[in-house]
Amino acid sequence: AAGVIQSPRHLIKEKRETATLKCYPIPRHDTVYWYQQGPGQDPQFLISFYEKMQSDKGSIPDRFSAQQFSDYHSELNMSSLELGDSALYFCASSPGGQMNTGELFFGEGSRLTVL
Amino acid sequence: KQEVTQIPAALSVPEGENLVLNCSFTDSAIYNLQWFRQDPGKGLTSLLLIQSSQREQTSGRLNASLDKSSGRSTLYIAASQPGDSATYLCAVIGDNNDMRFGAGTRLTVKP
Repeated sequence: AAGVIQSPRHLIKEKRETATLKCYPIPRHDTVYWYQQGPGQDPQFLISFYEKMQSDKGSIPDRFSAQQFSDYHSELNMSSLELGDSALYFCASSPGGQMNTGELFFGEGSRLTVL
Repeated sequence: KQEVTQIPAALSVPEGENLVLNCSFTDSAIYNLQWFRQDPGKGLTSLLLIQSSQREQTSGRLNASLDKSSGRSTLYIAASQPGDSATYLCAVIGDNNDMRFGAGTRLTVKP
């Protein structure tokens, strides 16, 4: 069965650079969530989208932005990168509307290293 | 603000033992509770989802229970195997889709 696809899997950037992470949800899932997991920490919710609109916002820094496109894939844009942005970034998807049981299906994550 | 606590933080058992992982949360107004497994450097694998109206869910050797009124959930693993070694995370989902994770229980099953 198709799963949540994240790219790139690994990314190395320098401070003050910009990075973009992509997430392709499971087919027919219209809700996407982004999480950040720092070393030794549990995942922190950043932002979510339902039907291409932002549905909820967590602890996402102002330097970050995200959007969901017409094909339901989502991109997380991170600018002015800081060392503390080094983390594993997870994307999760779920079916929205009446099909939404709330169960989240996670991708493998994108590991960002800021040097 | 919802807080999720998992006990114990780490657990080491011999192969074949039955074990229980605990999760507690401070706000009982939840939408769902979901148990995940995470292997080192890997993503989260969904194990069981319990909706707020349910009391338990079972999948194979796993059984998860939910007691909303007391703010508790348990994950029961029967006949543990070395392949079960991983970090187990409990996540509580609120009505606004806000998802709060516990810090996890790191399980080691020794052959």
